[in-house]
Amino acid sequence: ELKVEQNPLFLSMQEGKNYTIYCNYSTTSDRLYWYRQDPGKSLESLFVLLSNGAVKQEGRLMASLDTKARLSTLHITAAVHDLSATYFCAVDKDGTGANSKLTFGKGITLSVRP
Amino acid sequence: DSGVTQTPKHLITATGQRVTLRCSPRSGDLSVYWYQQSLDQGLQFLIQYYNGEERAKGNILERFSAQQFPDLHSELNLSSLELGDSALYFCASSVSGTQGNTIYFGEGSWLTVV
Repeated sequence: ELKVEQNPLFLSMQEGKNYTIYCNYSTTSDRLYWYRQDPGKSLESLFVLLSNGAVKQEGRLMASLDTKARLSTLHITAAVHDLSATYFCAVDKDGTGANSKLTFGKGITLSVRP
Repeated sequence: DSGVTQTPKHLITATGQRVTLRCSPRSGDLSVYWYQQSLDQGLQFLIQYYNGEERAKGNILERFSAQQFPDLHSELNLSSLELGDSALYFCASSVSGTQGNTIYFGEGSWLTVV
């Protein structure tokens, strides 16, 4: 059974500092998604990583994927309050390879303090 | 706004009842997914449809069923409801449903079973 682990589950960040959060998964997959969720809201797509070594950046967030280590990282540069949310990673794995079936981690709740 | 529309946004119903959740995918998207989000189970994949046909099944209970209609909207039917079915139900859509597509989530339908 595919397992997706995120750690830490909660992170208190100081404004202006840099942080990295991690997503580990238990089986081979070349496709990993990052989503952001504000409390009680929808999931907003942040990144889709499609191959080993993929790196994508948007604003203060940069995501990378190492399929050999089964690890994705989300790096936050100079945290600001607007980044406070829960961040989910999800692995796209289906036995047939034909369908998209996301398995989510439990999410990491980030809180940025002044 | 992701372009995925879900109704109703909130629903309160009694145990043993049946409800129907409705989803309109983004324009041009052929694949629809249903996910359940609860505090204890996290985000779980329920089922996927592509152009009217079931493509993949996840942890969907036998009391639950879904379908995708010719106009591509989808409905998730939940019957014999139990307290534990209280959750946020997300519909999502993507262009083709194959791995690597960006998957866009709707705002969700909050279901409370009392």
